[in-house]
Amino acid sequence: KNEVEQSPQNLTAQEGEFITINCSYSVGISALHWLQQHPGGGIVSLFMLSSGKKKHGRLIATINIQEKHSSLHITASHPRDSAVYICAVRKTSNYQLIWGAGTKLIIKP
Amino acid sequence: GAVVSQHPSRVICKSGTSVKIECRSLDFQATTMFWYRQFPKQSLMLMATSNEGSKATYEQGVEKDKFLINHASLTLSTLTVTSAHPEDSSFYICSAAQGAEVKLFFGSGTQLSVL
Repeated sequence: KNEVEQSPQNLTAQEGEFITINCSYSVGISALHWLQQHPGGGIVSLFMLSSGKKKHGRLIATINIQEKHSSLHITASHPRDSAVYICAVRKTSNYQLIWGAGTKLIIKP
Repeated sequence: GAVVSQHPSRVICKSGTSVKIECRSLDFQATTMFWYRQFPKQSLMLMATSNEGSKATYEQGVEKDKFLINHASLTLSTLTVTSAHPEDSSFYICSAAQGAEVKLFFGSGTQLSVL
């Protein structure tokens, strides 16, 4: 079983829809990252969480440490949000980064 | 915000040659740098972790003699793919961590094509 599980693997939605991407992990972590990878390969760090909730524009990230679960939400989705969204956790045991498999999001106009 | 510069963005080379990829932190001291590889339609895979002034820690299955990592200063880490072969063709990306902070900053990546 992977230490970081992301769902769904693929997601297609219409412009304006509310999007949720989930990330579950099974190890002790010092931080959880949400990242966005553009079609050209470039990666942007969206959020770094260790507890609670963070909001940046239309993006919201939450984490529940007890349940070992995090969600990334996109409100009023737009075609430019189309990208691969990746969850990664930093293990407390060895500070290693463990990556989720990514969620490919397509927002149709 | 913090910026990590990675060069080159794309390189095409002949089989058997060596390729060096640079990763620079432009406005902060990167005590730890990470190197990743991504094959088409696959997730990022951590190759190695390097701390300034010490030897890199390689992930299982990554050949340290083939993928040479040097982190000689707090602002520069290099990955050298030695005697590259077509199966080394991949997207390589670096990230840097600043001190005790766990926030990561990513380079823009290098697409390596070995003919």
